[in-house]
Amino acid sequence: GAVVSQHPSRVICKSGTSVKIECRSLDFQATTMFWYRQFPKQSLMLMATSNEGSKATYEQGVEKDKFLINHASLTLSTLTVTSAHPEDSSFYICGVTRASPGAEAFFGQGTRLTVV
Amino acid sequence: KQEVTQIPAALSVPEGENLVLNCSFTDSAIYNLQWFRQDPGKGLTSLLLIQSSQREQTSGRLNASLDKSSGRSTLYIAASQPGDSATYLCAVAFYNKLIFGAGTRLAVHP
Repeated sequence: GAVVSQHPSRVICKSGTSVKIECRSLDFQATTMFWYRQFPKQSLMLMATSNEGSKATYEQGVEKDKFLINHASLTLSTLTVTSAHPEDSSFYICGVTRASPGAEAFFGQGTRLTVV
Repeated sequence: KQEVTQIPAALSVPEGENLVLNCSFTDSAIYNLQWFRQDPGKGLTSLLLIQSSQREQTSGRLNASLDKSSGRSTLYIAASQPGDSATYLCAVAFYNKLIFGAGTRLAVHP
């Protein structure tokens, strides 16, 4: 399977600051990237889908001005949590796939964000 | 809106048992269905991918089936081992989205 690198794996930040999470596809061109958040003992909730070179499509209820997604290249997408608050503390994970229908998706190891 | 449901939510079995995890989805217009494994606090490991035109896929002790018309998939684990303990997630792919079920937390005890 493909290798997806997510960085950082853990981050603690102060309330009000911004945090950037990187997702890199190391061995294939990821035309589509997904961002999810996961609360303890819950499933992955899709936040947004980004296609390389175009604006991300956000799910209903996800604030696009708070969760900034940039998919600038076929190997890198970033999620920036702006003005973070304690309720943003969660596990964030990215998935990558090619654009062709039916393509397999691969995931990074996730980022544990704690806002204090 | 596509909804993905997994049953049971949790399962505890003795080592050696064969077991079946279930996944159902509401919209049959899917591209594929994937089964993943997640260990606590970790990312996802892809187990099996079934294309919408396929009926089943096998990998080692794992077998996944897909009945697109009824909106169901099952993951069969043969001869379970303690190392199989994890959360198993199914994910359904349709246009530009990958939607996950809530998962089945599996515990296999010696």
